[in-house]
Amino acid sequence: DAEITQSPRHKITETGRQVTLACHQTWNHNNMFWYRQDLGHGLRLIHYSYGVHDTNKGEVSDGYSVSRSNTEDLPLTLESAASSQTSVYFCASSGDRAYEQYFGPGTRLTVT
Amino acid sequence: GEDVEQSLFLSVREGDSSVINCTYTDSSSTYLYWYKQEPGAGLQLLTYIFSNMDMKQDQRLTVLLNKKDKHLSLRIADTQTGDSAIYFCAESNDYKLSFGAGTTVTVRA
Repeated sequence: DAEITQSPRHKITETGRQVTLACHQTWNHNNMFWYRQDLGHGLRLIHYSYGVHDTNKGEVSDGYSVSRSNTEDLPLTLESAASSQTSVYFCASSGDRAYEQYFGPGTRLTVT
Repeated sequence: GEDVEQSLFLSVREGDSSVINCTYTDSSSTYLYWYKQEPGAGLQLLTYIFSNMDMKQDQRLTVLLNKKDKHLSLRIADTQTGDSAIYFCAESNDYKLSFGAGTTVTVRA
């Protein structure tokens, strides 16, 4: 069965370190998204991609970057982790039917 | 985000109906959605409604859309303990979604 996975599921890192969160989907979807979830804010869009080599900034992109070298993967990199980036991160993907956005299980990141 | 607002908490007795409300600001929204998040899990699409519809029913779920007032609601009939979760309202006019802060629904016996 097609699926979307994220790794690691939990990560603790120190301020200033570079961290990469992985997202892999086997739906063959063109569209992939990264969100962060914080209490009182719901999910906020960090970056998104509509296809290979396409990346776009979302509403909270500062301090984050993504690259899309193939259809299946959209890794999210925190260049220099900050305590304000402690959050739960969700990856999602969708195909041509925009309303069907599928979410991964999430990565809980703690920056100490 | 700020463009989608919903109340934060709802407590309901098992067997009663739950109604979760949401307001949005983007009049060009094409689709409006309800997602469910159970503890420790990702989001699951419950239902969606196209912006030119007023109502959509799917088993125990009824979605009502008042486009004039930009108001969306989700009614869950015969609420069960398995319905305890966070429910997110979202809107889109392209492939991107804007989410509300989520309504935590607690079902009490």
